Amino acid sequence: QSVLTQPPSVSGAPGQRVTISCTGSTFDIGAGYDVHWYQQFPGTAPKLLIYDNINRPSGVPERFSGSKSDSSASLAISGLQAEDEAHYYCQSYDTRMSGSTVFGGGTKLTVL
Amino acid sequence: QVQLQESGPGLIKTSETLSLTCSVSGDSISSTPRYWGWVRQPPGRGLEWVGTTYYTGNTFYSPSLKRRVTIFVDTSKNQFSLNLRYVTAADSAVYYCVRQGTFRTQASDYWGQGTPVTVS
Repeated sequence: QSVLTQPPSVSGAPGQRVTISCTGSTFDIGAGYDVHWYQQFPGTAPKLLIYDNINRPSGVPERFSGSKSDSSASLAISGLQAEDEAHYYCQSYDTRMSGSTVFGGGTKLTVL
Repeated sequence: QVQLQESGPGLIKTSETLSLTCSVSGDSISSTPRYWGWVRQPPGRGLEWVGTTYYTGNTFYSPSLKRRVTIFVDTSKNQFSLNLRYVTAADSAVYYCVRQGTFRTQASDYWGQGTPVTVS
């Protein structure tokens, strides 16, 4: 069971906007630690999509945006495209047990 | 261009020690103050943090693996390695090496392609 909770799946039609939530606790996101998001296609390594809650690395389309509030964070994808179909993972830091990197369980995005 | 490349055995027997190495190019492990780590992904499942090492050699491990895992740096080869002792089938996964930032809380901006490991 993952420390950070994500919905197992979300879906949307091309052109629509979808959001993926990442819920933590007072030990991680709620303690003020940043949230990062990764995109993973089958058979490939994860790719950094959003870092420090809201920032996009160079080359990531503006359609992808992140936000954070209290003990939760969200990834929003607007103008959904077929190529966005992938797994998405959130990551943060847990202060317990001398500090650990923690991931969400992952969300499979299906473009209808 | 930063690149990370994992190497190690694809198949290992139960109770043996898994040894993986990550070769880094385009960045220097010894001269840049940042963290380097390992993440694994069992078949069909999500990502799991294994552990992280600072460029000085300080290490931090997942609570669930800390009794069996060691991560160490070889600055002469610009590599860092993972040893996981007493493996079981539950340790079968794709293992990724990653580059993190100057703080442990930061994102992993570069990932290796991953190396699959099967424990039989």
